[in-house]
Amino acid sequence: GENVEQHPSTLSVQEGDSAVIKCTYSDSASNYFPWYKQELGKGPQLIIDIRSNVGEKKDQRIAVTLNKTAKHFSLHITETQPEDSAVYFCAGPAAGGNNRLAFGKGNQVVVIP
Amino acid sequence: KAGVTQTPRYLIKTRGQQVTLSCSPISGHRSVSWYQQTPGQGLQFLFEYFSETQRNKGNFPGRFSGRQFSNSRSEMNVSTLELGDSALYLCASSLDGDTQYFGPGTRLTVL
Repeated sequence: GENVEQHPSTLSVQEGDSAVIKCTYSDSASNYFPWYKQELGKGPQLIIDIRSNVGEKKDQRIAVTLNKTAKHFSLHITETQPEDSAVYFCAGPAAGGNNRLAFGKGNQVVVIP
Repeated sequence: KAGVTQTPRYLIKTRGQQVTLSCSPISGHRSVSWYQQTPGQGLQFLFEYFSETQRNKGNFPGRFSGRQFSNSRSEMNVSTLELGDSALYLCASSLDGDTQYFGPGTRLTVL
């Protein structure tokens, strides 16, 4: 089965506050962790990714952190805006290897104006 | 550079019919993966094609099949449609197999 878990399922934040979504994985050999944003009626859009040789990566208001010891990685969105409202998916190594990705179930982020 | 395109965007079929969906990857990308997305199950991997060969396969029944052409365009086919096949079918292309870029999806409704 797949081995990427994502909690919580829905996150509501006030505009301007930060949002954090966390995912866990079980395969310690994994080395690539992307995050996707999916808006209504669209396909998932890659917003940031991280490889296992770094602990953090930032791109403007978005950052991803990786904790290899604890096997979890998190998406951080600062100064949230209404257009950040979407479903966010993490991905990681699929169970059994074969070099493909498994996706978390997704987090609905709602930014309240 | 144009993104991943999928056709058609919407389809309505009845049980027992078959359907073919098409995906054109980003120019230069040789890997195409297909996913089924439903509210309850999230993104479920169907299969991946690389240079016209199926490289990975998910846990779907044999009614789901695919192929890739020499220009990297890919099609997936679902035969003997069931109500539970109603979903958003997403295609993702990749240059190297890990960084994947998704298309807008095909919304399939089975009545």
